[in-house]
Amino acid sequence: QKEVEQDPGPLSVPEGAIVSLNCTYSNSAFQYFMWYRQYSRKGPELLMYTYSSGNKEDGRFTAQVDKSSKYISLFIRDSQPSDSATYLCAMSPWNAGNMLTFGGGTRLMVKP
Amino acid sequence: DVKVTQSSRYLVKRTGEKVFLECVQDMDHENMFWYRQDPGLGLRLIYFSYDVKMKEKGDIPEGYSVSREKKERFSLILESASTNQTSMYLCASSPSQGDTEAFFGQGTRLTVV
Repeated sequence: QKEVEQDPGPLSVPEGAIVSLNCTYSNSAFQYFMWYRQYSRKGPELLMYTYSSGNKEDGRFTAQVDKSSKYISLFIRDSQPSDSATYLCAMSPWNAGNMLTFGGGTRLMVKP
Repeated sequence: DVKVTQSSRYLVKRTGEKVFLECVQDMDHENMFWYRQDPGLGLRLIYFSYDVKMKEKGDIPEGYSVSREKKERFSLILESASTNQTSMYLCASSPSQGDTEAFFGQGTRLTVV
């Protein structure tokens, strides 16, 4: 069993929809939870990260962490075609940039 | 802006060749990492380095080695390339203090034939 599980998709939604992306994990030592966005033929770029449990909001993006359920989510409000990308969750017991364990990525397509 | 630059976007090499993938970062970061990315498997850590001349094995080091002679440069070496090393290779760097997020290069797509 992989340490971090993520539905590969693809997930196809109409423009303006609310998107929910999720990951589950098994390692209770994870303290930092990251979401990366990766456009085709590009490297991943960090969207946001959260320490421990709770919510974090940044514009149209909200990250949620539920450590008791070992479940994290990324919500995208008012989705745009420019949000079409692969979204990768990543986790670490140390900090936001070190010893990251990644999920397999979810491919999102937002149709105009 | 932090920049992590990988020397090649695309490479095609023959089985058995020695392959060098180069990565340079311009933000004086202490930590540097090499990952490979395969469909459905996400990114998997090959090797990392916390300092010059220092290296540590990640989750999948077999068939790879690394070199870090200067702080800004981290090289991944495939001693004898094999077809199962065909993949996307991503380099990343992060600082050891403060806001520690990792920054990734654009990736090198390596095909071994």
